[in-house]
Amino acid sequence: QVQLVESGGGLVKPGGSLRLSCAASGFTFSDYYMSWIRQAPGKGLEWVSYISNSGSTIYYADSVKGRFTISRDNAKNSLYLQMNSLRAEDTAVYYCARTLGRISSSWYFDYWGQGTLVTVSS
Amino acid sequence: QSVLTQPPSASGTPGQRVTISCSGSNSNIGSNYVYWYQQLPGTAPKLLIYRNNQRPSGVPDRFSGSKSGTSASLAISGLRSEDEADYSCAAWDDSLSGVIFGGGTKLTVL
Repeated sequence: QVQLVESGGGLVKPGGSLRLSCAASGFTFSDYYMSWIRQAPGKGLEWVSYISNSGSTIYYADSVKGRFTISRDNAKNSLYLQMNSLRAEDTAVYYCARTLGRISSSWYFDYWGQGTLVTVSS
Repeated sequence: QSVLTQPPSASGTPGQRVTISCSGSNSNIGSNYVYWYQQLPGTAPKLLIYRNNQRPSGVPDRFSGSKSGTSASLAISGLRSEDEADYSCAAWDDSLSGVIFGGGTKLTVL
């Protein structure tokens, strides 16, 4: 069965960095697009970033552009999110999600991990 | 404030039919598919409806989605206690060039 397991969350000071990982299993990871989505405490979901199956196409939400970097290692069935210059408003549970839809306007997320909490506070 | 607008709460009694609305604009719902996600307390979101009205395998036919113009709705018939969850709509936004979500609706089964 499809499994996505995030790790790497924790407490970090404003301006600091953190790298999230997502270990995938139960499907051919290299065949699928992937995304990161976050949810601030008590708030709605917010799409953060997308990466194509080969890693050649990447998108970011404006709120994280220039600060976050998405990447993947298909040999290790893993997805990553490098987060730099973190701000208090980046505090959220971060989910990795398998992404379907051939074109961006039809993207949707059919499997989600359990999430990892990132807290940005001094 | 979310680009897609949902009521913050909804409620119903077991067996009832409830609907949850999602209001957007021409740049999102008006020109793209709508998706619905269910988030049970303390768990990750789960895909409930894709491409406006399609159910993934395993989702009961009690759940249905519809879209008209710049609005969409999720209907749940034969309400059960296990349906108590947060429900969020989502769509691509052409102006923002990204996926946007509604703020979520907390459904309470009385």
